[in-house]
Order: sequence, then C-alpha cells, then structure tokens
Amino acid sequence: RKEVEQDPGPFNVPEGATVAFNCTYSNSASQSFFWYRQDCRKEPKLLMSVYSSGNEDGRFTAQLNRASQYISLLIRDSKLSDSATYLCVVNQRNSGYALNFGKGTSLLVTP
Amino acid sequence: ETGVTQTPRHLVMGMTNKKSLKCEQHLGHNAMYWYKQSAKKPLELMFVYSLEERVENNSVPSRFSPECPNSSHLFLHLHTLQPEDSALYLCASSQDPSGTGDPYEQYFGPGTRLTVT
Repeated sequence: RKEVEQDPGPFNVPEGATVAFNCTYSNSASQSFFWYRQDCRKEPKLLMSVYSSGNEDGRFTAQLNRASQYISLLIRDSKLSDSATYLCVVNQRNSGYALNFGKGTSLLVTP
Repeated sequence: ETGVTQTPRHLVMGMTNKKSLKCEQHLGHNAMYWYKQSAKKPLELMFVYSLEERVENNSVPSRFSPECPNSSHLFLHLHTLQPEDSALYLCASSQDPSGTGDPYEQYFGPGTRLTVT
C-alpha cells in the first residue's frame, strides 16, 4: 500500500464551483499533515497545514480524520488561479525531516 | 537573491559525465533537503542535512553524492548516471525540526531539470 494516496484527477470545474480532494495515508504514527500546491513546471509551495480540529484559510478548508487516516481539502468559489496540482503531505514517521508526498491531484478551473 | 535558488535550471549530461547541482538558501534555515521528482511519481526524499550534518539518506545510489559545506549551500554531485535518473531535482530548506520533532514548512527551489542521455 502506498504511503500517501490521492486521486490524480484531473478535476475540471467551472469558476465559482466548490471542489473537494481526498487523501489517505498508511502510517498511523504520522503526526503532521499538509497540503502543498504545485503549479505546472514550478516548485511545490505550502498551501496550509492540517490540524486535528480542522482549519480554514479563506476559501480553503482542511480536515483530518485520524481514525480513518484520511485528509481532505475543500476549495470554495474556485478561481482560475486555483488551477494547479495539490499535493497531500504527511510526515513519514516520528521525524521532523521526512515528509511523504502524494502524487498530487490535478485541478483545472475553467471560465 | 531571495528564497531558495538552484543552478543550473536545466542540465543534459551523458552517462559518463560528472556534474554538480548547486542549491543556495537565503532564509536563514539550517536544514536542507534534496528531492527527486520523476514524471507520474511523487516527490522522493533523497538526502537531508541538518546543521551541516547528513541526517537522512533514503537508500540513494552512490552515483549521487551530496555535500553541505555550510548551512546556506547544498550540492549534489552526479557521476555515471543512468537514463532513469532523468528527473526534476528539487532542493528545499526549513528551520531545523530536531528540537521539537515536528516538521516545519519546507521552502523549495525552482529545481534542476536533468536529462541523462
């Protein structure tokens, strides 16, 4: 079983739509969770950390379900500029260094 | 210069060549990382340096040799590579997490796109 699994997509949605991405992880000892964003031919950049109680940053909401080992990202009111690949990231073990990246979910927001 | 820079941005090399990738961070971090990103595969952590000491080596073949002369610079020396080593090589830096054990945000450079012929 892969460490971090994501639906690769692509998700094609119109501007203004709400879209949700899911991610599952295999290591129950994982402690820290993130969503990174990677634009085409660019480097990954942190979008948001994911906290146990769930957290929101503007149009973006992240949720964590430890029992199911499941993370989600919800994007409301999609913008054209949200088109990118969204990477689910989990720390590999009890190590601050080792992050495990999913393959990413591709999002295309269309006019 | 700001953030994390990498040179060269593109590199084509033959299997018998020796080349080096360079990374420099201007963020005052003391942990630096090399990742490999191949098409249709997730980012793979290769090496981690913290306070100029190697703390992670994820079973990377010896044809890849990292060097960290100081906390701002990281190199990846390449020799006798194979075509399957063609990929995007990303450098990242962060605050050193060893004190808390919790990972900090990693800031990535733009990457070096390597083609081995």
